[in-house]
Amino acid sequence: AQKITQTQPGMFVQEKEAVTLDCTYDTSDPSYGLFWYKQPSSGEMIFLIYQGSYDQQNATEGRYSLNFQKARKSANLVISASQLGDSAMYFCAMREPYNKLIFGAGTRLAVHP
Amino acid sequence: DSGVTQTPKHLITATGQRVTLRCSPRSGDLSVYWYQQSLDQGLQFLIQYYNGEERAKGNILERFSAQQFPDLHSELNLSSLELGDSALYFCASSVVAGGLGYNEQFFGPGTRLTVL
Repeated sequence: AQKITQTQPGMFVQEKEAVTLDCTYDTSDPSYGLFWYKQPSSGEMIFLIYQGSYDQQNATEGRYSLNFQKARKSANLVISASQLGDSAMYFCAMREPYNKLIFGAGTRLAVHP
Repeated sequence: DSGVTQTPKHLITATGQRVTLRCSPRSGDLSVYWYQQSLDQGLQFLIQYYNGEERAKGNILERFSAQQFPDLHSELNLSSLELGDSALYFCASSVVAGGLGYNEQFFGPGTRLTVL
């Protein structure tokens, strides 16, 4: 069965510094997709970045980049130049057949001024 | 704004009652997904519909049911409610139901259900 593991329940980072949020996954399917979502205290789920298993390059979206190491089955999210508004829960997710998502437990990020 | 709407935003009810949560997908999206976010279980997939037909089922209780109507909006019905059903219920939509590629799911703002 497919599984997503986020081992960091909480992380702290100083404003303007970079932070890496860990995500490992387990699947036997050679074709899969990995997503990162942000959930601020208001509750909505905000899509951040996507990485396909066949993508040759690591995905980047503005200040977000994904450190994709296929052999290690890891897909870590890197946030550069952290801002106070980055304080939120972050979820790593994997796409299963029929496009449904399985989520990790999440990492709560706190950005300090 | 993702373009997915959910009503109501908040719902407070008593144990044993029945409620209906409503979701309107983004214009053009045929697939609707329901997720439950609770403190105990985290974020988990409940059920998926594509163009009116059930496509996939997750850890959805027998007390819960859903449907997708011809206009593509979807309803999640929760009956015989228990305290443990208190959660944030998300609806998401996408253009297609599966396959390779991006297939981003757009999430609605959620319905927060409190069972007292």
